[in-house]
Amino acid sequence: NAGVTQTPKFRVLKTGQSMTLLCAQDMNHEYMYWYRQDPGMGLRLIHYSVGEGTTAKGEVPDGYNVSRLKKQNFLLGLESAAPSQTSVYFCASTLVGDEQYFGPGTRLTVT
Amino acid sequence: RKEVEQDPGPFNVPEGATVAFNCTYSNSASQSFFWYRQDCRKEPKLLMSVYSSGNEDGRFTAQLNRASQYISLLIRDSKLSDSATYLCVVNDYGGSQGNLIFGKGTKLSVKP
Repeated sequence: NAGVTQTPKFRVLKTGQSMTLLCAQDMNHEYMYWYRQDPGMGLRLIHYSVGEGTTAKGEVPDGYNVSRLKKQNFLLGLESAAPSQTSVYFCASTLVGDEQYFGPGTRLTVT
Repeated sequence: RKEVEQDPGPFNVPEGATVAFNCTYSNSASQSFFWYRQDCRKEPKLLMSVYSSGNEDGRFTAQLNRASQYISLLIRDSKLSDSATYLCVVNDYGGSQGNLIFGKGTKLSVKP
């Protein structure tokens, strides 16, 4: 049981490049989330999903898109990366909407 | 915007000390409350849920005051391994089901 995994762990992008972050969970959780964490800002919700095929915007969705084609996977896309998107990205999941289990994070730098 | 406010810290304490963290939240409809722990460059992990009657887990005690919208965490007999950032977390009841609101965290450093 791997829990929540994220790939890649680290990435450096140039401004304007695109990439997809993958989150996978093997706990059969319904809810999945993408957060970003910046110094002094705490965790901020980007997008979330309450089930396969559904997604919704969180607090800071601009510049990101998501997809939940399979229950176990939640993808976060950056279409045209900007330096302001330099951050640590965490994925999380939960079964019933309370305790969230987090992945190890992806450290993204946009130059 | 719904907020969770925490002591800014950092707290620097000697081993064996008792330390208390406080947190206030703005959404009076919130139903679930947690303390998470986050080690440096790691993901947040649940430390304990917080119940209305208060609850204890070993050296850790959490209290909830709904009337004042206030949550606390007490750590007794601090260990070096308690050094971490502690996040106060509240569910966004009335918003989207399952969403949590995270405080910015309070950093604890336990010294020998």
